[in-house]
Amino acid sequence: DIQMTQSPSSLSASVGDRVTISCRASQNIRGHLNWYQQTPGNAPKLLVSDASSLQTGVPSRFSGRGSGTDFTLTISSLQPEDFATYYCQQSYSTPLTFGPGTRVDV
Amino acid sequence: QVQLVQSGPEVRKPGASVKVSCKTSGFRFSNFGVSWVRQAPGQGLEWLGWISAKTGTTNYPQNFQARITMTTDTSTATAYMELRGLSSDDTAVYYCTRASYDLPMDFYAYWGQGTLVSISA
Repeated sequence: DIQMTQSPSSLSASVGDRVTISCRASQNIRGHLNWYQQTPGNAPKLLVSDASSLQTGVPSRFSGRGSGTDFTLTISSLQPEDFATYYCQQSYSTPLTFGPGTRVDV
Repeated sequence: QVQLVQSGPEVRKPGASVKVSCKTSGFRFSNFGVSWVRQAPGQGLEWLGWISAKTGTTNYPQNFQARITMTTDTSTATAYMELRGLSSDDTAVYYCTRASYDLPMDFYAYWGQGTLVSISA
């Protein structure tokens, strides 16, 4: 199974900050990496697919990059609605696996 | 618009089984696959497996293979997930989610609202 790790596990930030979350796969997953945002009590929301494709309706302050084993999700200017937990997920092979999450709070 | 509506919360005793439904609308059900993902309280996301709505082909992780069954009913555009031999470790919110095509190795843009399954003696 492909193991996914994320760093940091949590971070504190302020509105307007630039935030970067890292995700690492235990083996080469090419560009098959997706990012989700989850707020308490809600289902995950897909933000970025295939490492860098921003989903329709997702603000342009979100961006993803990377390939192989190392990936990042960047929020260029943190907004109040961005305080949430972020998960990466590999779609290279089954079983699909998620990172443990990065909680972004004030 | 694409919608996935799941059945309501369930409470079961250890050793019992639970079956969660996921009724879909807004797209041609048989063209896509459905995965199930769960989230234990305060924990991360865990993939439970995938089913093709077209063929019924399934793909389960090894650690669930013996006690999980996913099915679909194309006449009602509904997917089902049954989990047997429940223990307290199975207490979680269970989500159904639609792939963007008919393979499990995919990203998931559409999610149900989640079904809380609680296991308690």
